[in-house]
Parts: sequence; structure tokens; C-alpha cells
Amino acid sequence: SQKIEQNSEALNIQEGKTATLTCNYTNYSPAYLQWYRQDPGRGPVFLLLIRENEKEKRKERLKVTFDTTLKQSLFHITASQPADSATYLCALARFNQAGTALIFGKGTTLSVSS
Amino acid sequence: SAVISQKPSRDICQRGTSLTIQCQVDSQVTMMFWYRQQPGQSLTLIATANQGSEATYESGFVIDKFPISRPNLTFSTLTVSNMSPEDSSIYLCSVSITDEQYFGPGTRLTVT
Repeated sequence: SQKIEQNSEALNIQEGKTATLTCNYTNYSPAYLQWYRQDPGRGPVFLLLIRENEKEKRKERLKVTFDTTLKQSLFHITASQPADSATYLCALARFNQAGTALIFGKGTTLSVSS
Repeated sequence: SAVISQKPSRDICQRGTSLTIQCQVDSQVTMMFWYRQQPGQSLTLIATANQGSEATYESGFVIDKFPISRPNLTFSTLTVSNMSPEDSSIYLCSVSITDEQYFGPGTRLTVT
């Protein structure tokens, strides 16, 4: 079965530094991969989508890379701020008979200290 | 984008009872999803609900335990039946719009 691993449960960094989160997957070749942010007590919020034919995508201070050979995605937050503190989830698109569903990793909880 | 609301936001229920969770979307969508997020865990897909057809359940989830209704393109319900403490979790609905998924705030269920 498909497996997604976000290899750090928690990441602590200083304000202004770049946070790098890792997502690895096995037993699958997803058409696209997504990153979400989840704050305590709330549902996940979509951040970025990257397709299998894209190497990199950016949105403001966020950057996502996708290496289908390594089966890995990296998520970067540059010039991090305390407001970036949250849990970040990686999700793969999976096609089934009902349509497209997402398989989520367990997430990495990022803490940015001032 | 989409704005999704869920009712109730939280509930405490006794074992053996059932709870129906409602999900309302502010626009018409074809696909709606129900997820479960157990404490300290990530989201696990329960089922995909398309309007006008039976829901498609993931491995480990069955219709008798989690019946789903999808009467129109903006609304769905998930029932958690014959609850046990193991069903204590956050239940979230979501919709897919151009490959992006939007989530409701979740329903926090505690079974005693």
C-alpha cells in the first residue's frame, strides 16, 4: 500500500531562518503532491500543489520541490516567522474508482521562535 | 475556493449511540470526502461521496458503521453508528475543486 513519511515530527528554528520539511513516499507514483498547513483545532488549509512534471513551485515565501526519482518532496519556508508555527502535512493524490482522494502524512510540527 | 461548515463542532456521546455530522458547502461540488483524525495522527480517508451514487469506502471502513448521505451538491452527512471509545476522533469533511481540497473545521467527537 502507499506510504508517506514526513521524517521529522517536530522542527524548531529561529525566526528569519529557512525551515525545510521533508516528505518521502513509497509504492506509488502520484500525479501530484500537495502541502497543507494545520493549526490546532482547525482543518488543514491548502498551501501548494506540485505536479509530477514540475520540479519546483513557489508562492511568496514558500517553495516546494518534487523529485519523482527519489520519491521525495521538500517544503521550504524562507525568512520564517513565529506566525508560521503550525503542523505541515504532505499529501499524495490517489486515483480510485470514486475519483481522486488524498493520502496524508503524519505531519511535521514547526515551531519558530523569536 | 470553498467555505465549509460542519455541525456539531463537538459532542460527547455514550457508547452504543449514533451521531450524525452535517457538512455544508457554499458552492456546488461533485466530490466530497470524509476524513478521520485520531489524536496525534494524520488524516485518514473514510469515504468519498459523490452526489447521486453510493459512497466509496476505504479499506477498514464500512457502510454499516459510517453511513453517508449526499442528497445534493452542497450537503452531506456522516453518521458514526454504535459508537465505542475507539471512535473518539475529529471528523472532517472536505471538497475538491480543481485538485485542491478545502476542509471544514472538523467535529470533535468524544465517546464515553
